[in-house]
Order: sequence, then structure tokens, then C-alpha cells
Amino acid sequence: QQPVQSPQAVILREGEDAVINCSSSKALYSVHWYRQKHGEAPVFLMILLKGGEQKGHEKISASFNEKKQQSSLYLTASQLSYSGTYFCGTDQGGSEKLVFGKGTKLTVNP
Amino acid sequence: DAGITQSPRHKVTETGTPVTLRCHQTENHRYMYWYRQDPGHGLRLIHYSYGVKDTDKGEVSDGYSVSRSKTEDFLLTLESATSSQTSVYFCAIRGRSNYGYTFGSGTRLTVV
Repeated sequence: QQPVQSPQAVILREGEDAVINCSSSKALYSVHWYRQKHGEAPVFLMILLKGGEQKGHEKISASFNEKKQQSSLYLTASQLSYSGTYFCGTDQGGSEKLVFGKGTKLTVNP
Repeated sequence: DAGITQSPRHKVTETGTPVTLRCHQTENHRYMYWYRQDPGHGLRLIHYSYGVKDTDKGEVSDGYSVSRSKTEDFLLTLESATSSQTSVYFCAIRGRSNYGYTFGSGTRLTVV
């Protein structure tokens, strides 16, 4: 089942922080985060594995609450280059396939 | 970076005609995926493959078939294209080191 992302859209000024949430009704084995710029392919940011292991990407971080079946992506001191649509992808049982949320559109203005 | 290419990049076809999209990878990855992306729906899995001749359905597989006769190629076929299959199609491979997906550049398909 498709995870639910919130908010659907957020507008920031450069230097501000943002949090994007991803929640699932099913138990999660792992959560992926991707960023997609307009007209381009999604790009992998990081993966969070059941058991707490995290693999990160530069200045963006994330958390994974297995009990609540939720993950949050934290963007601190946002830059113009952070603009894009962020997707979480969930693996609901070690099935080697991801189900993606509908995305959160992030706009960073000067 | 994994090498993954999709062809064609753009295609316009008529309702009822068969269409085949190709995904080619150069890194010998076992797992390959086909997703479609539509406004308001995000990325939805059509089919995926876990090896040569090993494929399985995703959440929106009706009207699509796939084949993988070689490790490097994963083909998506629309047997009889419909307007509801107008979409952007992305192929992806799963990395070995960080398990993240690498997506191809996408194919924009328009069914008229």
C-alpha cells in the first residue's frame, strides 16, 4: 500500500529548515528517500534500514521510527538546489520492491 | 554510477497499437524495475525482474507485459496501447552497495 507523505508542498526561503514525513499502514523493512527535479529522473538520497542503520547524503538527514512505521526527512539550512519533489519509497517486507508515496514538492526561494 | 539507458526517450503512438520500451544496463545488476509516473500519483510499480526470465507483477500491471532474456535488457510491452497509458515511464536498477535505485532518464509516451 502506498505510503502517505506530508506535507504535499512546502515553500521556504533560503536558509530555512523543512521536515517531510512518510507514514505507512504496514510494517516497514526499509525506507528510501529520493529527490526529483522537474523534467529529470528521481535521484537516490538515502536509505534507512530496519534496525536503525542509516546511510546518508551530504547535509540532509532522516529518521526511521519502526514502531510507528514512519520516516522523516530533515533539510536544514536549505539551499536553492534543494528545490524539487521528494519521494519516500517503502519496502514492506524485504520484497526487493519499493512502493512510493505521491511526493512532496519543495520550493526554496532566494 | 551505474549505466542505465532507456529508449526511446519520446514516443507518440495510436490507440490499439503495440509498443515496446527498452531498458538497458551495463552493470550486471540483478534487479530491474519499471515504474510509471503520473501527476498526483507519484511513481507506481508496473513490473520488476530479479533475474533472467524471472519477473513479477507490481501494483499497476494490467495491460503491460515484460521480458528479460538477458541480464542487461528489460523490455516493457504495451500489448494494445490505450490513452490511460499515456505517462512517463522510468526504468530503475537496484545498487549493490547502498541498495538505492538508479533511474533511467525516462520515456515520455503519448497514446492518441
